[in-house]
Amino acid sequence: DVKVTQSSRYLVKRTGEKVFLECVQDMDHENMFWYRQDPGLGLRLIYFSYDVKMKEKGDIPEGYSVSREKKERFSLILESASTNQTSMYLCASSLFPAGIVDSANEKLFFGSGTQLSVL
Amino acid sequence: QKEVEQNSGPLSVPEGAIASLNCTYSDRGSQSFFWYRQYSGKSPELIMSIYSNGDKEDGRFTAQLNKASQYVSLLIRDSQPSDSATYLCAVNSQKVTFGTGTKLQVIP
Repeated sequence: DVKVTQSSRYLVKRTGEKVFLECVQDMDHENMFWYRQDPGLGLRLIYFSYDVKMKEKGDIPEGYSVSREKKERFSLILESASTNQTSMYLCASSLFPAGIVDSANEKLFFGSGTQLSVL
Repeated sequence: QKEVEQNSGPLSVPEGAIASLNCTYSDRGSQSFFWYRQYSGKSPELIMSIYSNGDKEDGRFTAQLNKASQYVSLLIRDSQPSDSATYLCAVNSQKVTFGTGTKLQVIP
């Protein structure tokens, strides 16, 4: 089974801190994603990556950056944490190649999530 | 207009009944459609995917797609208390966009 591991289940940080959220997948997936999930707003895409050192902005990239130095690892960085970034952060991976529809490869595998509280 | 819209619910159905969950999307170029189930405190997991107009059945689950109406639905037959969860509709048009989810409660 695919395993997507997020480094922390709960994290508490202070306003202005630089925050790193780490995600590692063990199935050699090309594609990795960072979502945040908020009540009433659902899952919103922050950033995604289709290859090492490649990144694309999602729907809400402001205040975030990402790093993908190795295929298996995708990091989300909050440069200066703010209270409105308090949320559940979910990492996901898939085999899905960009622009190609393939039922077997489009499935998203999610990590268990990191509940981040910014005080 | 939201890209993917769902009624937030909660949708309450008695055990053994059919639960019907609905989703509309705005991008006519969308090609892939998914239903994810998310139990409280857990991560989403894929339960159905559909790509062509019509119905796709998998056990007690049936996904329905109507591209002309930009409409996707999920039917759960013989609903069980264990089906109580939030169901997320997702649409792929270059990137996967999720709806806000519909909370389903199956009453024993």
